[in-house]
Amino acid sequence: AQSVTQPDIHITVSEGASLELRCNYSYGATPYLFWYVQSPGQGLQLLLKYFSGDTLVQGIKGFEAEFKRSQSSFNLRKPSVHWSDAAEYFCAVGGGSNYKLTFGKGTLLTVNP
Amino acid sequence: SQTIHQWPATLVQPVGSPLSLECTVEGTSNPNLYWYRQAAGRGLQLLFYSVGIGQISSEVPQNLSASRPQDRQFILSSKKLLLSDSGFYLCAWSGGKETQYFGPGTRLLVL
Repeated sequence: AQSVTQPDIHITVSEGASLELRCNYSYGATPYLFWYVQSPGQGLQLLLKYFSGDTLVQGIKGFEAEFKRSQSSFNLRKPSVHWSDAAEYFCAVGGGSNYKLTFGKGTLLTVNP
Repeated sequence: SQTIHQWPATLVQPVGSPLSLECTVEGTSNPNLYWYRQAAGRGLQLLFYSVGIGQISSEVPQNLSASRPQDRQFILSSKKLLLSDSGFYLCAWSGGKETQYFGPGTRLLVL
């Protein structure tokens, strides 16, 4: 069965600092990996996705993520965080003949001025 | 471009009352459609998904049901709401087995 672990429930960073959100997955085949962001009371917005090819993927809003098969990880990074990045971030895994995505429980990001 | 709508945005219902939440997609045909429930601190739970009209797969046995009467319409229903049905309900669509795109959600409070 596929699963996703986001080890950090809540992270606080200062505006302008760098950010890394961790995601570890378990999947029996080549995974499709996603990061979504959710602002309070809103739906989920896709930040970036990985299907194949270059293991470093660029997304919207200056985010990037790196797929590391040996570590079963897909960590999200941003070099300089803006106050508007405060939100909850979800990692998800799916793919192959499976129509479903499995989501992590999310990491809540707080940005201090 | 594709757009996904959900209504209502917010709903307050008494225990034991019926429920109908609607989701519609524009700008695409034959999408896969999904209903999720989100509870605080518990991430997203997939409730139902559909790969075509009248085709519904249930992920979690519960008090809810889903229907897909038209290609781009997905409805979540209940005959009698429970307190535990409170939550944030999200509809999503995908063009295949890949990326899912989410609607704005419906906040349901059962009292």
